[in-house]
Amino acid sequence: AQKVTQAQTEISVVEKEDVTLDCVYETRDTTYYLFWYKQPPSGELVFLIRRNSFDEQNEISGRYSWNFQKSTSSFNFTITASQVVDSAVYFCALRKTSYDKVIFGPGTSLSVIP
Amino acid sequence: DSGVTQTPKHLITATGQRVTLRCSPRSGDLSVYWYQQSLDQGLQFLIQYYNGEERAKGNILERFSAQQFPDLHSELNLSSLELGDSALYFCASSPPTGGNTGELFFGEGSRLTVL
Repeated sequence: AQKVTQAQTEISVVEKEDVTLDCVYETRDTTYYLFWYKQPPSGELVFLIRRNSFDEQNEISGRYSWNFQKSTSSFNFTITASQVVDSAVYFCALRKTSYDKVIFGPGTSLSVIP
Repeated sequence: DSGVTQTPKHLITATGQRVTLRCSPRSGDLSVYWYQQSLDQGLQFLIQYYNGEERAKGNILERFSAQQFPDLHSELNLSSLELGDSALYFCASSPPTGGNTGELFFGEGSRLTVL
């Protein structure tokens, strides 16, 4: 069975600090997709990144970076120099193929304090 | 704007009632997914349709039903509503096979409050 674990329920950081959100997944499939979504207080779900299981290259986009390690089944998300606008719930998610349902982790609520 | 449209945005109703939530996927997308987000249970997958046919079912209650119409819009029907059905219901869509990069595109959600 597939499962996504986000052990950090809530995190609070002071503005400009770096923060890493952890994600551990379980799957028996050899190919799969991993995602991060952001849910700001307004409620919508915003897609941040997709990673295929055969592509372990880490990615950086501005202040955001993602570390995918197949050996530890982890797909961690780091925000550098956090800002108040980063305050949101962040979901890690897993999908077996591009046609299957997406399974979400429980989410990590990030509060960035000015 | 993801291109997925959900109506209504907010809905308040009483226990025992029935409501219908509507979703229009992005232009060209054939798959529609419904998710329920309640305070205690995170984002739960309910059901998936592909080009009018049911593709996968999750933890959807028997009191709930859904369908996808020939024009690809989808409706989620919730009946005999209970207080615990109060939640944010999301619809998402994804492209057909050839253009599918894996992620789902979510609507803004329909917030249901059962009193």
